[in-house]
Amino acid sequence: SQQGEEDPQALSIQEGENATMNCSYKTSINNLQWYRQNSGRGLVHLILIRSNEREKHSGRLRVTLDTSKKSSSLLITASRAADTASYFCATDPGNYKLTFGKGTLLTVNP
Amino acid sequence: EAGVTQSPTHLIKTRGQQATLRCSPISGHTSVYWYQQALGLGLQFLLWYDEGEERNRGNFPPRFSGRQFPNYSSELNVNALELEDSALYLCASIPTGGLTEAFFGQGTRLTVV
Repeated sequence: SQQGEEDPQALSIQEGENATMNCSYKTSINNLQWYRQNSGRGLVHLILIRSNEREKHSGRLRVTLDTSKKSSSLLITASRAADTASYFCATDPGNYKLTFGKGTLLTVNP
Repeated sequence: EAGVTQSPTHLIKTRGQQATLRCSPISGHTSVYWYQQALGLGLQFLLWYDEGEERNRGNFPPRFSGRQFPNYSSELNVNALELEDSALYLCASIPTGGLTEAFFGQGTRLTVV
């Protein structure tokens, strides 16, 4: 079963706009990670946020974590066409079983 | 530094046959994870190997099996292939000592006809 669920399933925006994706999970976690997948190939790690952190930044990415609501959000600012990809959240509930959601397909139109 | 490598890139098999997929982790990484990604779906956790031992497995039938070799490379075997086994199989390696960033290979696209 999926531990994390991303929302929305698909998102289409114009270049330069911001994109926000959400992730909800079910059990307590040690950390939450976000990954990007281009065209059905390998995943690339974007950012990791630990359970005792509330917000983290990396370049144009901002991740928030609300452990009381068991949810996280990924914000991509000033999006580019190259950001078009599927984005997945992954959680580690503490048993080293890194579990992924179904992903959000982001399309950035030039 | 070489990344995670998977072979073959594509594999076409007939229903009922066996498939063997291979993964070489990043040098120094002892943990290898296997995932199945069927078309349009998320990643389903298959197997986790660490230090040569199977540490955890997902909700897959026993015909999905694997092993990890002394050099930490890993092999995934799928016996008695079924049409619904058609998917992208992804391998990831993680450094020793904790679950942090996972490094993924480019995957093996398995097609069962």
